Amino acid sequence: DGGITQSPKYLFRKEGQNVTLSCEQNLNHDAMYWYRQDPGQGLRLIYYSQIVNDFQKGDIAEGYSVSREKKESFPLTVTSAQKNPTAFYLCASSTLGGDQPQHFGDGTRLSIL
Amino acid sequence: QKEVEQNSGPLSVPEGAIASLNCTYSDRVSQSFFWYRQYSGKSPELIMSIYSNGDKEDGRFTAQLNKASQYVSLLIRDSQPSDSATYLCAVCISGTYKYIFGTGTRLKVLA
Repeated sequence: DGGITQSPKYLFRKEGQNVTLSCEQNLNHDAMYWYRQDPGQGLRLIYYSQIVNDFQKGDIAEGYSVSREKKESFPLTVTSAQKNPTAFYLCASSTLGGDQPQHFGDGTRLSIL
Repeated sequence: QKEVEQNSGPLSVPEGAIASLNCTYSDRVSQSFFWYRQYSGKSPELIMSIYSNGDKEDGRFTAQLNKASQYVSLLIRDSQPSDSATYLCAVCISGTYKYIFGTGTRLKVLA
């Protein structure tokens, strides 16, 4: 079945540690996105990518980094510079054109130890 | 800053009633609008897409779009307790591949 796979489901970060969240899709979508959701809040865009080897900062990119080496994969690294990383992280993908909906993975819940 | 605004709720309706969820957006030239349902602790799932003025129906759900008023709504007929969730409105910003989400309206359907 086509879909978006995020792993791990739960992740714990120690002080000063970088952690990487995985996102893989087999929908053949060109565009991929990372969002952060805090309790009772909407989705805030961290980074997005429309094509391999290219990505753009979203509204809250500080303390995060991404790569897009393959069309199917868009990993997100939460660096130690992100002082408040506890949140629900959602990866999404869509076809290009802007008139198609985004499809979401199941999310990764990140907490600080 | 492009914005999408929703009433956070909770909106409480009795089982079998019509639930009406509203969303306004600031980008006058946006063309694509989406409604997502998000259960607590889960990821958003797409309910409806709407691109043209007027109504679009899918089962118990009807999306309504009024571009002149920059307003999109979602009606849920015959509401069920299983419809209790947060409903997110999303707008694709014209000329970009960015989607802006509202903060969501929490719906409670009372049995």
